[in-house]
Amino acid sequence: AQKITQTQPGMFVQEKEAVTLDCTYDTSDPSYGLFWYKQPSSGEMIFLIYQGSYDQQNATEGRYSLNFQKARKSANLVISASQLGDSAMYFCAMRQAGTALIFGKGTTLSVSS
Amino acid sequence: DVKVTQSSRYLVKRTGEKVFLECVQDMDHENMFWYRQDPGLGLRLIYFSYDVKMKEKGDIPEGYSVSREKKERFSLILESASTNQTSMYLCASSLRGRMNTEAFFGQGTRLTVV
Repeated sequence: AQKITQTQPGMFVQEKEAVTLDCTYDTSDPSYGLFWYKQPSSGEMIFLIYQGSYDQQNATEGRYSLNFQKARKSANLVISASQLGDSAMYFCAMRQAGTALIFGKGTTLSVSS
Repeated sequence: DVKVTQSSRYLVKRTGEKVFLECVQDMDHENMFWYRQDPGLGLRLIYFSYDVKMKEKGDIPEGYSVSREKKERFSLILESASTNQTSMYLCASSLRGRMNTEAFFGQGTRLTVV
């Protein structure tokens, strides 16, 4: 069965610093996709970044990058140069063919000035 | 602009009532999903549908049913609401057949059962 684990309930970082949010996953299927979503206090779910299991390079989207280590089954989100607006809940999720997105429990990120 | 719309932002219902949560998407997506979100538990999948009249149970289907009579609409039904169903409910949709397509979410319905 597929499973997503986020072990950090909360993270604290200062503005302009980089932060890494951890995500490990479990699946026996060689084909899968990994996603990160951001949920601000307003409640909306915002898609940030995607990594496919066969992608050779780590995904990047602006200040977001995904540190994909397939052998370790980890897909950590790296946010560079944190901003106050990055304060939110962050969810890691995984999809396999024909299945729905399965989410981790989330990490609350707090950015201070 | 793509959109997933949930019928209510906030809902208060009494124990034992039949509750309908409605979700409509305008993106012609085949897949639609219902999740519930609770503090410390993340998002848990209740049901999903990959086509009209098709449905699959998720991780926590007990106490819920769903209906998908039209492609754009996916309804979540609480047959007899209970206080442990007080939660935030999120609807989402996505294209079928493409692994890299993200799911688009509605704004959520915060349901309180009293």
